[in-house]
Amino acid sequence: GAGVSQSPSNKVTEKGKDVELRCDPISGHTALYWYRQSLGQGLEFLIYFQGNSAPDKSGLPSDRFSAERTGGSVSTLTIQRTQQEDSAVYLCASSLTPRGGPSYEQYFGPGTRLTVT
Amino acid sequence: LAKTTQPISMDSYEGQEVNITCSHNNIATNDYITWYQQFPSQGPRFIIQGYKTKVTNEVASLFIPADRKSSTLSLPRVSLSDTAVYYCLVVENDMRFGAGTRLTVKP
Repeated sequence: GAGVSQSPSNKVTEKGKDVELRCDPISGHTALYWYRQSLGQGLEFLIYFQGNSAPDKSGLPSDRFSAERTGGSVSTLTIQRTQQEDSAVYLCASSLTPRGGPSYEQYFGPGTRLTVT
Repeated sequence: LAKTTQPISMDSYEGQEVNITCSHNNIATNDYITWYQQFPSQGPRFIIQGYKTKVTNEVASLFIPADRKSSTLSLPRVSLSDTAVYYCLVVENDMRFGAGTRLTVKP
């Protein structure tokens, strides 16, 4: 079946502009995650959605970052007034079950490479 | 919060067995240990998960001692295509991948 998809695959934007990154999770997956990965670094957790619960936004680095998940499916990560340090690969993942516990597995999308010039 | 510590990098040769050890001294009773693999320009993918003792699948084995303060991912007879970054996670309320271990397999 279809995996997690993200769009666009690449995005180049000018400093100060807003960008929107899209994630389509695997159908039926209740949990959705956003991560950021700078070149050669590990993954930095940004935000977690689980069903209809309030999202865990503890990883968002500043108030310029926000995310929403509509209808429990598609999610959009918005970065306002982009800065050069926002340049990174933004990865989305989904899981069938909430985080934690046995048989818990995240499925990752290919990522969106964001370059802020 | 449980924190994991792994070597930054490792080198190996084709056909060898590779063991990557991860420390997680503050692991909680309900935590599972999960390993992911990430190739360049791709998102991570799940390899294996365990709670205690030994778990084996078609890709790897995971050894967890009784105190669960560490775990070892074992990759049998690695090939060039196993060159990747390997992440150890202790799953709780946060998802912290850390920097992982960059494994380079040489011919």
